[in-house]
Amino acid sequence: AQSVAQPEDQVNVAEGNPLTVKCTYSVSGNPYLFWYVQYPNRGLQFLLKYITGDNLVKGSYGFEAEFNKSQTSFHLKKPSALVSDSALYFCAVSPDTGRRALTFGSGTRLQVQP
Amino acid sequence: EPEVTQTPSHQVTQMGQEVILRCVPISNHLYFYWYRQILGQKVEFLVSFYNNEISEKSEIFDDQFSVERPDGSNFTLKIRSTKLEDSAMYFCASTEEGGGNQPQHFGDGTRLSIL
Repeated sequence: AQSVAQPEDQVNVAEGNPLTVKCTYSVSGNPYLFWYVQYPNRGLQFLLKYITGDNLVKGSYGFEAEFNKSQTSFHLKKPSALVSDSALYFCAVSPDTGRRALTFGSGTRLQVQP
Repeated sequence: EPEVTQTPSHQVTQMGQEVILRCVPISNHLYFYWYRQILGQKVEFLVSFYNNEISEKSEIFDDQFSVERPDGSNFTLKIRSTKLEDSAMYFCASTEEGGGNQPQHFGDGTRLSIL
């Protein structure tokens, strides 16, 4: 069975500072990894994915994530946070075995202070 | 950009009643999914659907749940006899292809409240 851990319920960062939202995973085989963002009263919006290849993947709105196989981590990063980045962020995994169901982490609320 | 649309946005139902949640996936997508999120908890997979059949389902998706694609555009989730613990946000998603490497596109959800 696969699982995702997001160890921080909330991350606070000042506008203009770099941000990191942590994610670790457990899956049989190779992982497909995703980050989604959820704004209030909206659905989950895809940010970026790691499938294979370069460990650093770039996504929407200036976000990037680094895949680390040895640490089974896929942390979300952004060099300079914006107040508008404040939202709920979810990490998700699916295995490369043909299954399509996503397993989500519990979510991390990002609060960017002006 | 094409979107997944879900109706209604909020559904209030008496316990024991049947409820149908509706979704219109993105038009050229072939794989459809339902997830739920109980307040304060994780987003959980319920079921995936392709070619008019269930592809995968979770332990949550028991006999009280069913899915259907009644026409060329709608994808529905039916809960036959609702329980208090069915109260949650229900999200529909779709993908163009079926590989697990495809990002799923989510609707804004239906908030289901069981009284």
